[in-house]
Amino acid sequence: AQTVTQSQPEMSVQEAETVTLSCTYDTSESDYYLFWYKQPPSRQMILVIRQEAYKQQNATENRFSVNFQKAAKSFSLKISDSQLGDAAMYFCAYRGRYGDMRFGAGTRLTVKP
Amino acid sequence: GAVVSQHPSRVICKSGTSVKIECRSLDFQATTMFWYRQFPKQSLMLMATSNEGSKATYEQGVEKDKFLINHASLTLSTLTVTSAHPEDSSFYICSARDPGPSGANVLTFGAGSRLTVL
Repeated sequence: AQTVTQSQPEMSVQEAETVTLSCTYDTSESDYYLFWYKQPPSRQMILVIRQEAYKQQNATENRFSVNFQKAAKSFSLKISDSQLGDAAMYFCAYRGRYGDMRFGAGTRLTVKP
Repeated sequence: GAVVSQHPSRVICKSGTSVKIECRSLDFQATTMFWYRQFPKQSLMLMATSNEGSKATYEQGVEKDKFLINHASLTLSTLTVTSAHPEDSSFYICSARDPGPSGANVLTFGAGSRLTVL
């Protein structure tokens, strides 16, 4: 079974600074997708960024980028120029090509003004 | 973009009663929907996969007779918590697979339903 591990229960960053959230996963599949979701206090799950495993190039979405290391099964999220609105729970997620989505335990990000 | 509507957002019920939560894909057809449960300050735990026109697939440890799932159309899945007890109080979130042009089959989530059983 696939597992997703987020080893940082909480992280803190100063406004305008950069922070990196860690995620590792375990799978025997070769074709899969990785995601970072954000869950603000409203509890609505919001897709931040996604990465197809077959793509070597790291995905970027404005201030958000990932460091995808397929051999190491690592998928970290970097948030640049952190903003107060970035404060939320961040979940790393894995999905096989046709399967369901599995989530890590989450990292609570605090942004200090 | 794809939108998933979940209703009700909050529900309070008495112990022993049944509660139905609806999950609708508003602008796309979803042959598969997923139901998650989230306890306070914890991650989302997959409960079951809802398949249009067939029986749901439940995760190990999830009571299928307590959590009834019906996926009668391509845009609607329902979760019924039967004979609810206080330990069923939780946040329930549905999601649907958006086939979308991106091809990554991104899951779009509903806003969730907070169930409180008195």
